[in-house]
Amino acid sequence: GNSVTQMEGPVTLSEEAFLTINCTYTATGYPSLFWYVQYPGEGLQLLLKATKADDKGSNKGFEATYRKETTSFHLEKGSVQVSDSAVYFCALRNYGGSQGNLIFGKGTKLSVKP
Amino acid sequence: KAGVTQTPRYLIKTRGQQVTLSCSPISGHRSVSWYQQTPGQGLQFLFEYFSETQRNKGNFPGRFSGRQFSNSRSEMNVSTLELGDSALYLCASSRTSGKQAGNEQFFGPGTRLTVL
Repeated sequence: GNSVTQMEGPVTLSEEAFLTINCTYTATGYPSLFWYVQYPGEGLQLLLKATKADDKGSNKGFEATYRKETTSFHLEKGSVQVSDSAVYFCALRNYGGSQGNLIFGKGTKLSVKP
Repeated sequence: KAGVTQTPRYLIKTRGQQVTLSCSPISGHRSVSWYQQTPGQGLQFLFEYFSETQRNKGNFPGRFSGRQFSNSRSEMNVSTLELGDSALYLCASSRTSGKQAGNEQFFGPGTRLTVL
């Protein structure tokens, strides 16, 4: 079946530090991959996405590359800010013969200290 | 353009009661999906409605049901509430059915349900 595994949190960093949140997936076919962010008291916002192997999604300084050979979609940012503090979810969506709903990882809470 | 709205934002119920949550999608969006978010299980898919028809269903008991109206607004209902139903319920809208590739979902702020 389809599943997403992401690194356990919480992750605490100082402002301007480098961020990596690991995400690996299991899926049949060719899923689309997503990173969503959830700020306190809010719903999910799409941060970035990639729809095929070797695609790089990027937004607001965050990047993730779809690696089919390692079934990974790690999230990176070169210099985090206090405003990046949130919970980050890796997700996949498999259109090939399946039902098309989003399948999420457990989430990684990021806290950035000034 | 207004985003996805969910009402109410907070709800407190007791075991055995039933509850109805509402979701209004972005204008022009015809698909509404519902997800349950809990600390233990994370985000889990409940069901998707498209053009008033349930297109997809997750692995939840029959106490969880939903419907969609002709204006694409959706409601979900939980009957005979249990303590474990306490969760944040998120709805997401998209232009087309979730089975179509490239279809982005936009999430609402959620309804926080507490069952006592």
